[in-house]
Amino acid sequence: GESVGLHLPTLSVQEGDNSIINCAYSNSASDYFIWYKQESGKGPQFIIDIRSNMDKRQGQRVTVLLNKTVKHLSLQIAATQPGDSAVYFCAETQGGKLIFGQGTELSVKP
Amino acid sequence: KAGVTQTPRYLIKTRGQQVTLSCSPISGHRSVSWYQQTPGQGLQFLFEYFSETQRNKGNFPGRFSGRQFSNSRSEMNVSTLELGDSALYLCASSLSPGGLGGNTIYFGEGSWLTVV
Repeated sequence: GESVGLHLPTLSVQEGDNSIINCAYSNSASDYFIWYKQESGKGPQFIIDIRSNMDKRQGQRVTVLLNKTVKHLSLQIAATQPGDSAVYFCAETQGGKLIFGQGTELSVKP
Repeated sequence: KAGVTQTPRYLIKTRGQQVTLSCSPISGHRSVSWYQQTPGQGLQFLFEYFSETQRNKGNFPGRFSGRQFSNSRSEMNVSTLELGDSALYLCASSLSPGGLGGNTIYFGEGSWLTVV
């Protein structure tokens, strides 16, 4: 079926540590994946994306890894900061629409 | 460059009323899609428009409708509002439909609808 699910609903990390947020997707035909960050009261903010012909993509302090064999996506945030506290969603494109996971709430302890 | 703009940001309606939400995409973006976000159901796709044509529709009743204008601005309408329609309605825009070709999909801040 159509679903993109996150393994952990909450994640608490210490400021300065690295964070890893995981996501499983079900449609092996999906060719484009996006990570969004959503802060309370705001819309989803684009973080980073990756196409299915790539395994890894890096941005500023963030890295996305794609493992097509096991249909797994992860977002790594280096040196996590209090401003990174938010809900993180992975999404895949299917038939011209985004299918979102449930989201993981990241909490950064000072 | 302005982002995706949605109006109004907050509104309260009574059951049975109808509501129209507006979205202005990023300049140059011709694809506009709408999503509903609720605590229980998460983010769910409503519909997508590209060049004034609805290309895709989610599993929502016919009370939910939308349209896109020649300037790519879009509106969505919900008629005969129900309490369960209370949600954050998000608009997203992209250069290509559904992010085809890896064109990023950007979201607005959303319109908070409360039905009482």
